[in-house]
Amino acid sequence: DAKTTQPPSMDCAEGRAANLPCNHSTISGNEYVYWYRQIHSQGPQYIIHGLKNNETNEMASLIITEDRKSSTLILPHATLRDTAVYYCILFEGKLIFGQGTELSVKP
Amino acid sequence: DGGITQSPKYLFRKEGQNVTLSCEQNLNHDAMYWYRQDPGQGLRLIYYSQIVNDFQKGDIAEGYSVSREKKESFPLTVTSAQKNPTAFYLCASRGRRVGNQPQHFGDGTRLSIL
Repeated sequence: DAKTTQPPSMDCAEGRAANLPCNHSTISGNEYVYWYRQIHSQGPQYIIHGLKNNETNEMASLIITEDRKSSTLILPHATLRDTAVYYCILFEGKLIFGQGTELSVKP
Repeated sequence: DGGITQSPKYLFRKEGQNVTLSCEQNLNHDAMYWYRQDPGQGLRLIYYSQIVNDFQKGDIAEGYSVSREKKESFPLTVTSAQKNPTAFYLCASRGRRVGNQPQHFGDGTRLSIL
């Protein structure tokens, strides 16, 4: 079973920041938090991952709470092409995908 | 360009037939993975291989078989024993057996039963 909990769907206005939450209250000390997204009929695309510290790359920022029990993926300026299902996943040996959050970016 | 190539993109099979899905990577990755995705669902792990000539069952291995004779190739055979093979199949690879390197995915093969 997936060890993360995400809202099933979210909307975001184009050009605004999209903040996608994820709860992982049973995370262990060695587990990384990974984020992927999947556009319909394509393979999942890696976005970002982190262990304890906040991380930023050219696609997104990842904010992990101090107790590591939750995290937030931030897309700073969402575009229509960011419409996808976003998966928050804990990794220790293998990825376990849950249902993800379906993000709809609207004009 | 470096990446993971899955072929074919669409595949049709008659009931009772085995079918093999191809996965090739030129990323020089050690580990490779096969996942299955059903409509509206997340991915489920079928088989994975950390190194050439070695592989392990994932969560839903029944009715599937794999081989890993070359580092760059990890074909998946869907056998007639798989009761419900219609699904979207995804192959992934990863750079190291341990550590925090992300898995990278191919674009998938959609298998349908005629």
